[in-house]
Amino acid sequence: AQKVTQAQTEISVVEKEDVTLDCVYETRDTTYYLFWYKQPPSGELVFLIRRNSFDEQNEISGRYSWNFQKSTSSFNFTITASQVVDSAVYFCALIPYFGNEKLTFGTGTRLTIIP
Amino acid sequence: DVKVTQSSRYLVKRTGEKVFLECVQDMDHENMFWYRQDPGLGLRLIYFSYDVKMKEKGDIPEGYSVSREKKERFSLILESASTNQTSMYLCASSLLWGTGNQPQHFGDGTRLSIL
Repeated sequence: AQKVTQAQTEISVVEKEDVTLDCVYETRDTTYYLFWYKQPPSGELVFLIRRNSFDEQNEISGRYSWNFQKSTSSFNFTITASQVVDSAVYFCALIPYFGNEKLTFGTGTRLTIIP
Repeated sequence: DVKVTQSSRYLVKRTGEKVFLECVQDMDHENMFWYRQDPGLGLRLIYFSYDVKMKEKGDIPEGYSVSREKKERFSLILESASTNQTSMYLCASSLLWGTGNQPQHFGDGTRLSIL
């Protein structure tokens, strides 16, 4: 069975601060994908990143960066110089590399950026 | 860009009614999914389909059925709506895996209230 844990239910930071959202997962699969999605107040889930278990290189995209550590089963997400538009619920998710189309989601972290 | 369209943003129905939630995607994706989202529980998979007329139960299929008569359309049916089915419903689609599972793209969601 797979499990994704986002222990931080809600986080509030002041604008321009950096913030890290934690994601810890459990899986028996040796190859898998990890995802982050953003859900703004409008409701739709927006795909942010897919990371496969072969590749432990960190990734940076603008103000966003992701730290994947297979040894600790974690895939954390950092927003640098946060902005009000970053306010949303963020979900971490896991799926086996092949087959079994079930995407297992964490319960989400609600991030509020205070102007 | 992938577009996943859900027929209603908000829907109010009465207990015992038969309810149809419609979802259409425009990117010729093989896979389609229905989730429900509840506070503190994250997203839970109800049903998914990897081909026309094919369906698979997700984690919480009880009280729901689905229909996929055309590749682009995936309908969720509440045969006899109950108040515990009040929730946010999200539809998603993705390409059939070839080089590993592809990101799921989500619609805007339907907030369903059963009175």
